[in-house]
Amino acid sequence: DTAVSQTPKYLVTQMGNDKSIKCEQNLGHDTMYWYKQDSKKFLKIMFSYNNKELIINETVPNRFSPKSPDKAHLNLHINSLELGDSAVYFCASSPGTSGGSTDTQYFGPGTRLTVL
Amino acid sequence: GEDVEQSLFLSVREGDSSVINCTYTDSSSTYLYWYKQEPGAGLQLLTYIFSNMDMKQDQRLTVLLNKKDKHLSLRIADTQTGDSAIYFCAVRNTGGFKTIFGAGTRLFVKA
Repeated sequence: DTAVSQTPKYLVTQMGNDKSIKCEQNLGHDTMYWYKQDSKKFLKIMFSYNNKELIINETVPNRFSPKSPDKAHLNLHINSLELGDSAVYFCASSPGTSGGSTDTQYFGPGTRLTVL
Repeated sequence: GEDVEQSLFLSVREGDSSVINCTYTDSSSTYLYWYKQEPGAGLQLLTYIFSNMDMKQDQRLTVLLNKKDKHLSLRIADTQTGDSAIYFCAVRNTGGFKTIFGAGTRLFVKA
């Protein structure tokens, strides 16, 4: 009965490779997010989708491309990986802000990406 | 844009109370949250407070909100070693899509 799941949990790859991280939520939420957490634990929003539509797109290199095939899935594809991409990437979901809800976010367990 | 600030470290003895502080800049922040992150895990919601409240209590947790000073605090009574984690303050406006997170406060509990 996992709420927000991510695969893989660990990803070790060489510079220049292309990789994808998958995220799925079974909470029936409308909104999904990708965050990057660096080694100092700072959490930065990267993207957010609401009902498959991109609503937040922070200043992120265009090597990062999110894809939402349906509202339960938000995948992150990264081209030409660089050393600085090493971090923990968290997926999250929330009900959505319609109706003035608290819109609490539920986080996945994270994907630790190491670029060598 | 909105800025959320927290002190980075707090160390307490087991059994003492912990108080984690947070300040924010946007006075229209409506929802204010505290999340907890244990090692190797994602963030988990601990509690939240609406901007029309001054205080919320939930078992060992007490949240205080001072809207005038834009100051939010989380008090953990009888702190246990299992409370050692990073605590993130976060704020959001009504209808806003973006929740802004602080840098996190690392709580160390000494036995």
